[in-house]
Formats: sequence, C-alpha cells, structure tokens
Amino acid sequence: LAKTTQPISMDSYEGQEVNITCSHNNIATNDYITWYQQFPSQGPRFIIQGYKTKVTNEVASLFIPADRKSSTLSLPRVSLSDTAVYYCLVGEGTSGTYKYIFGTGTRLKVLA
Amino acid sequence: DSGVTQTPKHLITATGQRVTLRCSPRSGDLSVYWYQQSLDQGLQFLIQYYNGEERAKGNILERFSAQQFPDLHSELNLSSLELGDSALYFCASRKNPGTRDGYTFGSGTRLTVV
Repeated sequence: LAKTTQPISMDSYEGQEVNITCSHNNIATNDYITWYQQFPSQGPRFIIQGYKTKVTNEVASLFIPADRKSSTLSLPRVSLSDTAVYYCLVGEGTSGTYKYIFGTGTRLKVLA
Repeated sequence: DSGVTQTPKHLITATGQRVTLRCSPRSGDLSVYWYQQSLDQGLQFLIQYYNGEERAKGNILERFSAQQFPDLHSELNLSSLELGDSALYFCASRKNPGTRDGYTFGSGTRLTVV
C-alpha cells in the first residue's frame, strides 16, 4: 500500500494561515478523512473530519478535492499553542483488508 | 480527560516478558482501536474491535493479541517482548465505524522494554 504522506515540517509566524496537505492515494471509497493534533507524550486530539469538498468548524477548515486522493488542513491565524504534530488519518483497503492509516505527520512550529 | 482510559500509564519490563495493556472506551462507544507509536515508525494501526468482534487488522505482530470484552473494555497482550517493542501504545474509541464522529484517543501507555 502506498504511504499516506505529509510534509515533514513547517514553520509559521503567529497570526498567519497554515495549510498542511496530506496525500492518500489508496483511500477507501466510503471512509472519511480525519485530522488530528498531537502534543508530546499525549494522545492525538481530533481536529476535523470530512468526506468531500469543504468542511469548516470553529478551529479549522478541511478541503478535499473531488478525487479524494489528497486533503488540506487549513488553520487560520495560528498561535504559539498550535505548535504540535498534525496527522491525517484515512481508511484504506476493502472488507477483509481494511486498515486505518495515519499520515507521516507534519511538525508545525509557530514562531512569535 | 478524553473519556478513554488507559492503564497503566507507564510500564517497564524485561525482554522476553509478557504484559497486558488495558483500555476502557468512552461511554457509549462500541469500537476500540489500538495504535503503536514509536520514534521511527509514527502511528501504526494494530487492530480494531467492534462490539466484541475483531473488525480490522493492521501491522500487528503474531506475538501481540487483543480482545474486547462484553463490557466493551479491551486488552492488548504483548508477549516475548523485544527491545523494539518499546513505544507508546494508544487506544481510541468511537461509537460506530461508519459514523461521522472522529476517534477519541486515550493518553497512552508508555512501554519500555529493557
């Protein structure tokens, strides 16, 4: 199975918009795309989830193209506390071979 | 507190030993997922249970096994431990695999094999 890939790291300044892309070529037809935030030594924390087009909640937006082979997490006006590792999560495979695959993770560093 | 409880928080054991990690899912959640996170491998999916039955299997070694009990808590058993099994083990739960709700993760069990 192809890996679910993300950029290894990104730097940004406070107040800027940050876009993190995940490539997931083998996403299952009927599964959602979910993004998580993880701080050191803590469990991943749910940010946003979508199936197609655009989803927005109070903390982020998620853009998914029609082919669903990638997705982009958008964090508006980041702050220092947004420094963390961000993961996408997708389901891959079909019945009997189904797996839940985390992306490789993007380490976001927000600078003052 | 996410509502997903994992015990113990830390575990130190010797190579060759066997350990059991426990997970209590969030109230009302029927599905439990186990993940392993080591420094060089990221978050690796191990196994999923739904209402007591195995639903999906990832890169889980034959030395590892899991089960979900009638009260929906789950246990991950790791045997013949090797140094490379040292990692953070996370449990996550959700109501139903097909629903729109995301997974809720516990705070993990840090296993150190010496």
